[in-house]
Amino acid sequence: DQQVKQNSPSLSVQEGRISILNCDYTNSMFDYFLWYKKYPAEGPTFLISISSIKDKNEDGRFTVFLNKSAKHLSLHIVPSQPGDSAVYFCAARRFTGNQFYFGTGTSLTVIP
Amino acid sequence: DSGVTQTPKHLITATGQRVTLRCSPRSGDLSVYWYQQSLDQGLQFLIQYYNGEERAKGNILERFSAQQFPDLHSELNLSSLELGDSALYFCASSVEVGQGGFEQYFGPGTRLTVT
Repeated sequence: DQQVKQNSPSLSVQEGRISILNCDYTNSMFDYFLWYKKYPAEGPTFLISISSIKDKNEDGRFTVFLNKSAKHLSLHIVPSQPGDSAVYFCAARRFTGNQFYFGTGTSLTVIP
Repeated sequence: DSGVTQTPKHLITATGQRVTLRCSPRSGDLSVYWYQQSLDQGLQFLIQYYNGEERAKGNILERFSAQQFPDLHSELNLSSLELGDSALYFCASSVEVGQGGFEQYFGPGTRLTVT
């Protein structure tokens, strides 16, 4: 049962434009959400997170938005750079839980 | 560099064999997680250890087992290997500071190929 879903396997955007990566979850008990970035032949690296008490968290070019009623979060990258080309994983957990649930990833390609 | 190390990087073995994957967490991290990533699949949580004790279990097959040693390194043992076990296996570690969110730091992974 996939509790975290990333329905777009891939996304291409032009350099300088906005990249929007989407993630949906089914478990209303999740209260902490994370985005990870993964380059080929490397492990995922933590990018940005948000707790359920917020609806937005910003870190430089990266902003994560959380819509709890829709059980949806998104990652915005502005402006997109070629170095952002990677696979992005969305993950969720409960504060009191031990398990992280990951989506299947979205492969972002930023075209110079 | 996340500070999490995994060995070996690549492993090729035959069906029916047994292998051991090793993970050393970041200095100070007490929790170790194991994940499997098969082709076109997300990261599937297998198991978590905290300070030597099993804390959470995910979709881990009975043929697979893990342990965390007193020095906090962890090993994932895969036995009676099948072709479908071919995947990337990631280890991650984290600091747990009580309730609250925390991030995991991933190792570079071990690519297992079963022939």
